Amino acid sequence: EVQLLESGGGLVQPGGSLRLSCAASGFTFSNYGMSWVRQPPGKGLEWVSAISSSGASTNYADSVKGRFTISRDNSKNTLHLQMNSLRAEDTAVYFCAKYRIPDKIYFDPWGQGTLVTVSS
Amino acid sequence: EIVLTQSPATLSLSPGERATLSCRASQSVRSSLAWYQHKPGQAPRLLIYDASTRATGIPARFSGSGSGTDFTLTISSLEPEDFAVYYCQQRGNWPITFGPGTKVNIK
Repeated sequence: EVQLLESGGGLVQPGGSLRLSCAASGFTFSNYGMSWVRQPPGKGLEWVSAISSSGASTNYADSVKGRFTISRDNSKNTLHLQMNSLRAEDTAVYFCAKYRIPDKIYFDPWGQGTLVTVSS
Repeated sequence: EIVLTQSPATLSLSPGERATLSCRASQSVRSSLAWYQHKPGQAPRLLIYDASTRATGIPARFSGSGSGTDFTLTISSLEPEDFAVYYCQQRGNWPITFGPGTKVNIK
């Protein structure tokens, strides 16, 4: 069974940093692209970032470009999101998600999410 | 950026009724569109990808259609567990975008 378990969320002050992790199991992690998607309180889903199976290719939403960095460790089956210069509008539940098919960006499955709150 | 518009924003129906949800893209995404179901406190679930292919384990009452800019998700007969928010998502162009969602309420 494919499992994705996010960690690293919490309360951080504006301008601060946080590193999210997603531990993957139940599939060959190094064969699949991965993404982070977030949901601000009371709002819809927003794609944040994606990384190819090898880690060589990354993409970001304009809202986080230059502040967030996605990375992966295929030897440890782990996905990361380094979040710097955090703003109040980054407050959200952050989900990691696996590509349904190695090179097609549909998300299946998703983790349960980790809450990031940016507030003073 | 491709903007996805979903209608209606809210749909109030009774169990057993048919639900028809619409997703319109600001430019063609060919068939590169997915639908997700999301319930509060849970992980979103992929229902349909490539516009009309049901994901693994998804009941046959869920079907998707469309291509280009206009897409439809149909739930043929609503079950109690189907009341949720439904999102469309396109992968035709970067950045990946989601629609704002349609909430299916119990009438």
